Amino acid sequence: DGGITQSPKYLFRKEGQNVTLSCEQNLNHDAMYWYRQDPGQGLRLIYYSQIVNDFQKGDIAEGYSVSREKKESFPLTVTSAQKNPTAFYLCASSLGRHNEQFFGPGTRLTVL
Amino acid sequence: GENVEQHPSTLSVQEGDSAVIKCTYSDSASNYFPWYKQELGKGPQLIIDIRSNVGEKKDQRIAVTLNKTAKHFSLHITETQPEDSAVYFCAASQVESARQLTFGSGTQLTVLP
Repeated sequence: DGGITQSPKYLFRKEGQNVTLSCEQNLNHDAMYWYRQDPGQGLRLIYYSQIVNDFQKGDIAEGYSVSREKKESFPLTVTSAQKNPTAFYLCASSLGRHNEQFFGPGTRLTVL
Repeated sequence: GENVEQHPSTLSVQEGDSAVIKCTYSDSASNYFPWYKQELGKGPQLIIDIRSNVGEKKDQRIAVTLNKTAKHFSLHITETQPEDSAVYFCAASQVESARQLTFGSGTQLTVLP
């Protein structure tokens, strides 16, 4: 089955620790995205990547980092510099310049 | 940049009635407007989209209308069913842009049996 997988579904970390969220897709999509979702708010873009080895900051990139070493993988690291990291994180992908984005199931990160 | 506003934030309807969710956008260059449905604990799924060269698009019980002059677009769900209960998001972008979608804040739709 083709799709986007995110792991783990739930993640708990202590304050001050970096944590990496996984996102893998086997749709052969060039573009991948990371969004953050908070209660009562829309999705806010953290980072996006149009092609391997290239990525751009979104609207709320501070305190986050990404890499795109492989087409199918786009991991997101939440660093200790992110002031309010507890949120639901969504990964998405799309075919190149098309904007039809397909979302993964999300990872709920709780920082204690 | 683009700003998308969505109303209402919550909507309750009786099963079988219609539901309407409205969005406005700020960037007149936007020309692609998708709608996503998000069920509890899951990622959003695209349910319908419209491009600026058409004013209305329909897919079974779901329809979307677009008024480019007024910069607003709406989602219409007819004959609602309990399984339509979810959070719905509108979004806007430029198809030619290498960037991405700007989302509205979401509408929690509850269909009462």
